[in-house]
Amino acid sequence: DIVMTQSPDSLAVSLGERATINCKSSQSVLYSSNNKNYLAWYQQRPGQPPKLLIYWASTRESGVPDRFSGSGSGTDFTLTISSLQAEDVALYYCQQYYSSPFNFGQGTKLEIK
Amino acid sequence: QISLKESGPTLVKPTQTLTLTCTFSGFSLSTSGVGVGWIRQPPGKALEWLALIYWDDDKRYSPSLKSRLTITKDTSKNQVVLTMTNVDPVDTATYYCAHQQRRDGYNLDAYDMWGQGTMVTVSS
Repeated sequence: DIVMTQSPDSLAVSLGERATINCKSSQSVLYSSNNKNYLAWYQQRPGQPPKLLIYWASTRESGVPDRFSGSGSGTDFTLTISSLQAEDVALYYCQQYYSSPFNFGQGTKLEIK
Repeated sequence: QISLKESGPTLVKPTQTLTLTCTFSGFSLSTSGVGVGWIRQPPGKALEWLALIYWDDDKRYSPSLKSRLTITKDTSKNQVVLTMTNVDPVDTATYYCAHQQRRDGYNLDAYDMWGQGTMVTVSS
């Protein structure tokens, strides 16, 4: 199984500032045949189901604000929120879909400082 | 538009079998590249991937739960059913079903639409 580890577990950022969340996979999730990283990011607001933000490590889902961006390749990935808004307070999860089981990270709690 | 809704018992006794149904609309599970997955979340804890069924009836399971899980689909009813045997209090969680589909010609086993979830408590 591929183990996904996020850091930090929690993060407090001031409004308008940048937030960065990291995700590391225990083995590469880069598919050499198509050069795609099989990595997704989700946002889960309190009391809500998760929402897909990013797939292929850096492709923003339709309707997701452009302050959200994903980067990285192989085993190391980052979700960046360029200018934190109040509505971004949430849990964030990464997920690998390179191979079953399609495991999630343990989550990162993002709060306002 | 796509929507999914989970249904099932809210309370189950230990050792019993839990049956959850995902009823969906806005897509067909007979369309190539489409799948429905189940994910759970114990209170205050992280998401845990459980199982997945594809349009062609291919199935995937979490290895740690494989012996207890069965996933099936009824394309005519637009439903996916997850069965979990021999439940334990540690299975107490919100259970979600979610939609996935191939994008740009590549399999995308990430979930672009989720149900609201159903909370299941395992207790005697």
